[in-house]
Formats: sequence, C-alpha cells, structure tokens
Amino acid sequence: GAVVSQHPSRVICKSGTSVKIECRSLDFQATTMFWYRQFPKQSLMLMATSNEGSKATYEQGVEKDKFLINHASLTLSTLTVTSAHPEDSSFYICSARDRVIYEQYFGPGTRLTVT
Amino acid sequence: AQSVTQLGSHVSVSEGALVLLRCNYSSSVPPYLFWYVQYPNQGLQLLLKYTSAATLVKGINGFEAEFQKSETSFHLTKPSAHMSDAAEYFCAVSSTGGFGNEKLTFGTGTRLTIIP
Repeated sequence: GAVVSQHPSRVICKSGTSVKIECRSLDFQATTMFWYRQFPKQSLMLMATSNEGSKATYEQGVEKDKFLINHASLTLSTLTVTSAHPEDSSFYICSARDRVIYEQYFGPGTRLTVT
Repeated sequence: AQSVTQLGSHVSVSEGALVLLRCNYSSSVPPYLFWYVQYPNQGLQLLLKYTSAATLVKGINGFEAEFQKSETSFHLTKPSAHMSDAAEYFCAVSSTGGFGNEKLTFGTGTRLTIIP
C-alpha cells in the first residue's frame, strides 16, 4: 500500500533555533500535501496545504513566516519551524494525496519538543 | 463551516462484544465522511469513507458505518471486538470527495480499549 514517511520521528531543539521536518511519499506521487498539528488529547488541526511547485496555502491563524513549507517535488514536502519556542512543541503530521486516485495517506508524525 | 463531534474520548469493550464509536457532524453542504484509525507511533489509516453512494459503508478489519442524514450521524461499528482493534479512532468530514484541495476536519478522537 501507499506509504508516507516523516523524518525525524522525534526532535528536541532549543528555543530560538529552527527545525526542518520532511514528509515523503515513498511509492506514489503527490501534487498536494497537507500539514497538521495535533495537541495532546485534541484533534488534528490543518495548518497548511502545499501544492507542488507553488506556494502553500495557510489556514487562518497560522503564521506563514514561522512555519515555512516547501513542496519542491512530487514526493517531498518540508515544514520548517523557525525560531522555535516551547509553545511550538507538538505532534506534527503530514498527509499526501495520490495524484491519480486522490486518496490521502498519512505519515507517522513527528514529535517536536522545544526546550 | 464543518465540524465533527465524537462522543466519548474513551470507550472500553470486552473482546467479542459490539464496538460502537459515535460521530456526529455539522456541514452546510452534503458531507463526505471518513473514519481513520491510529495505532501507537503510526500514521492515520483510512478505515472507510462515505461519498454519497450507499449509506451503509463497509471498511477494512470488519468495521462499518452508516450515514444517517436525519440524525447527522456516522457511527462506526464492529460486531465483535478483537484485541487488535485497540487504537485511537478519528472521525473526519470534508466538503469534497477528494477532488480539489480536500480539507479534512477531524474530531477529537476516541481511544478504544479492548478488555480481555
């Protein structure tokens, strides 16, 4: 079946630094990828939609200068959390939509802890 | 605007018993509805989805859900629980069936525990 990977699975960084999270579709091409944030015991909240070769569309309230998204190829999207703060600590999940069958497949998530 | 409410953040059932996870939705347009399962340290896996065809939708692992417009519900059921069903379950709603930039709005999730 379709597989989406995320790297790293866990990351700890110091306040003020930047961290990059990769989302890859391993066996299909994805023109659209989605980035979600999940707080403990809460639902997944869509942060942004990225389309290959174009700028990402951010949801209301999401700082585009803080959460930089790049979707440079049909199999890779990256989320960079810039100048991270402890309140950015969360579980970040990506999904990729197969360009042929339009099914969304989710990655395993990345646990970010900012100290 | 769309929203999903999952009643019960935790549900416990005995092995072999009926599983019922509740989901109610709110949507200003005909909805597309989804159930996902998340096992520990894994991504979300699609169990089933309703896209305006048959109201009773059968999914993987013996799960099924019925779309009831009058009750704005899409409850997930399984006749006989198995230990391997223990996981987190998410209900989600979308305004499209997958075409265009499909945005999924998720419920808060229900953790299912199976009692041996």
